[in-house]
Amino acid sequence: QKEVEQNSGPLSVPEGAIASLNCTYSDRGSQSFFWYRQYSGKSPELIMSIYSNGDKEDGRFTAQLNKASQYVSLLIRDSQPSDSATYLCAERRGRGAQKLVFGQGTRLTINP
Amino acid sequence: DAGVIQSPRHEVTEMGQEVTLRCKPISGHDYLFWYRQTMMRGLELLIYFNNNVPIDDSGMPEDRFSAKMPNASFSTLKIQPSEPRDSAVYFCASSRKNIQYFGAGTRLSVL
Repeated sequence: QKEVEQNSGPLSVPEGAIASLNCTYSDRGSQSFFWYRQYSGKSPELIMSIYSNGDKEDGRFTAQLNKASQYVSLLIRDSQPSDSATYLCAERRGRGAQKLVFGQGTRLTINP
Repeated sequence: DAGVIQSPRHEVTEMGQEVTLRCKPISGHDYLFWYRQTMMRGLELLIYFNNNVPIDDSGMPEDRFSAKMPNASFSTLKIQPSEPRDSAVYFCASSRKNIQYFGAGTRLSVL
């Protein structure tokens, strides 16, 4: 079983709607989680990090973490065509650890 | 800051040849990471350094792969001899305080 699981998609969402991206992880010791966005042919870029249970909001993006259920999600409000990309979920394990384990990514398409 | 700089951006080589990928991390960052990305396996960590010292090389696929970091501003990933299955995009990333920033990547094709 892959350590970080994401639905590979593609996920299609109409412009202006909320896009919901989900990620589950297997290691209860994981401390921190990250969402990266990767446009086709480009490198991953960090969107959000979350360390505590609950929600964290940054503009149109909200990350949600539920450690009991080992579940992380990313919500994108008022989706724009420019949000079309692959979204990678990553976990970092243990205090002081620097190693990130990435999921396979979910390909998101926003339809005008 | 110029960000993480990788070279070359594209490399096409023949099976059996030596390939060297280069990376200049962001100034002041104390961690450097090498990743490989393929459609089949996604983004995989190969090796990472802290203050120029290799910390975890468990992701290095086999002895054909080697990485060095002779100083804080330069790292190389070498494949010798290269094989067609090494074809992938190789990313270098650097970090300070837990956030990793990625370079533009090197697209390697081994024929």
